[in-house]
Order: sequence, then structure tokens, then C-alpha cells
Amino acid sequence: AQSVTQLGSHVSVSEGALVLLRCNYSSSVPPYLFWYVQYPNQGLQLLLKYTTGATLVKGINGFEAEFKKSETSFHLTKPSAHMSDAAEYFCVTNAGGTSYGKLTFGQGTILTVHP
Amino acid sequence: NAGVTQTPKFQVLKTGQSMTLQCAQDMNHNSMYWYRQDPGMGLRLIYYSASEGTTDKGEVPNGYNVSRLNKREFSLRLESAAPSQTSVYFCASNVAGAGDTQYFGPGTRLTVL
Repeated sequence: AQSVTQLGSHVSVSEGALVLLRCNYSSSVPPYLFWYVQYPNQGLQLLLKYTTGATLVKGINGFEAEFKKSETSFHLTKPSAHMSDAAEYFCVTNAGGTSYGKLTFGQGTILTVHP
Repeated sequence: NAGVTQTPKFQVLKTGQSMTLQCAQDMNHNSMYWYRQDPGMGLRLIYYSASEGTTDKGEVPNGYNVSRLNKREFSLRLESAAPSQTSVYFCASNVAGAGDTQYFGPGTRLTVL
């Protein structure tokens, strides 16, 4: 069975600083991996996803993530944090070969951005 | 194009009461999903419908039933609500397939007293 672990339930950065949110996955087959963001009192929005091909994936709002099979990781980064990045971020997986989108979510990381 | 819509946005029930959460999508997606979100646990899949006419259990189906009314609509029913079902419920949809992006509704915040 697949699973994801997000390291750190809360991350705090200063505006303009690097954002690094860590995610490790466990899967018996090559996984599909996603990062979703949830702003307060809203639904979830896709930031980026890895399915096949290039391991460095660029998403919306300046975020990117790199799929590292040897480290079973899919960390999310952004070079310079903005106040509007404050939200909860979820690392999500769906084991390859599954016909339907039965997603498995990490527990979430709340990002706080200080002025 | 409204995407995924959910009704109601908020609901308070007493233990033992029943209710139905409604979800509709206008993106012509084949698959639809119901999740619940609890603090510190991410989202967990309750039920899903891979295509019109089919439904299957997810990770936490106990206490819930679903109906795929047509291609657009997928409802979630609580027959006898319990305090443990206090949560935020999200509906999602996608075309189909493991790598396909799921689009989420705004959520329903349910409190069971």
C-alpha cells in the first residue's frame, strides 16, 4: 500500500526566504505524486504533479518539486516566500497502475510567512 | 463554468439525525469522490464513483452511503449521524485515471452534537 509522510506539521519562514516542505513516499510501484494547497476555508487546488518523464516539476505560483526515486522523496520548494503563500500544503500519492484516482494524503504542513 | 459545487456549506445535526450532502460538477468528468478532512489527518477517501452507475468504498466508508445520480451529481448520505462524523467534507472529480488531476469543491463543514 502506498503512503506519504510530510516532515513537519508547521513550517514558518520570513517573507523572501526559501520555502522547503518535505515529503517522503512509500510505494511498491512507481507512484504518481501531487502537491495540493488549501487556503483558509477553501477547497484544495493543485500546485503541481509528477506522473512520468522529467523529475523536476514546475507548478503554479513559483513552486517546484523534484521526484527523487533513490530517496523516495518529493520535496516542494519556492525560492522566495510571499505572504500570499500562507496556507496548508498536502503531499498526495496515487500508486501507478490504479485505474481510479484513489488518492492517499499526507497529514499536511501549515506554512506561515512572517513579514 | 462553476467547477465542483457542494451544498450546504455548513450544517449542524443532532446525533441520530440524517442528511444528504450534494455535489455536482459541470466539467463532464467521469469519476467523482467524497473525502473527509480531520485535523492532522489530511483527507481520507470515503467513497468514490469511477463512472456513472458504479460506486465503491474508500478508506473510511462506515456510516455513509452514496448515490451517483447521473454523470454530474454524486451525493453522500449520513443515515444516523454520530459525533465522530463531525468533519469537513469535500467532493472531487476528474476525467479518470491515476495521474489525472482531481478538482475539489469548497467543502461542507458538518457538526454533529
